[in-house]
Amino acid sequence: AQKITQTQPGMFVQEKEAVTLDCTYDTSDPSYGLFWYKQPSSGEMIFLIYQGSYDQQNATEGRYSLNFQKARKSANLVISASQLGDSAMYFCAMRDNNNDMRFGAGTRLTVKP
Amino acid sequence: ETGVTQSPTHLIKTRGQQVTLRCSSQSGHNTVSWYQQALGQGPQFIFQYYREEENGRGNFPPRFSGLQFPNYSSELNVNALELDDSALYLCASSLNMWEQGPLHFGNGTRLTVT
Repeated sequence: AQKITQTQPGMFVQEKEAVTLDCTYDTSDPSYGLFWYKQPSSGEMIFLIYQGSYDQQNATEGRYSLNFQKARKSANLVISASQLGDSAMYFCAMRDNNNDMRFGAGTRLTVKP
Repeated sequence: ETGVTQSPTHLIKTRGQQVTLRCSSQSGHNTVSWYQQALGQGPQFIFQYYREEENGRGNFPPRFSGLQFPNYSSELNVNALELDDSALYLCASSLNMWEQGPLHFGNGTRLTVT
């Protein structure tokens, strides 16, 4: 069964600093996709970044990058140059051959001015 | 390109009642998934619909049921509401059920059961 683990219920970061949000996953499928979503207090789920299991390079999207360590089954999100607007819940998720997407419990990020 | 839209945005029901939530998928997307997100938790997968048939279901009782229509819009029905059903219900669509790309979410329906 799929399992996504986010071990950091809450994280704090100073504005303009970088922060890493941890995520580990478990699947027996060789083909899968890993995702990060941002959820502000308004409730909408905003897609940030995707990493395919066969991708050779770590995914990057602007200030977001995904530190993909396949052997360790980890997919950490790195946010560089944090902004006040980055304060939100962040969810790691995976989609494998079951096709449905499963989410971790989330990490609440607070950016301090 | 029209995104995923959900209605209503908020709803208050009484325990034991029934509720129907609605979702229009993003243009060109034929797969719709429903999630329940309780306060302070991650979204929990309820079920997925592909071409009008349920294809995959999470750990939810049969009183949670759904439909998908020929235009790929979808409904989530919950019977015999319980207090624990209070949550944000998220609908998401994807191009098809075989791709491993991202899901595109609506803004959700916040259901309160009293």
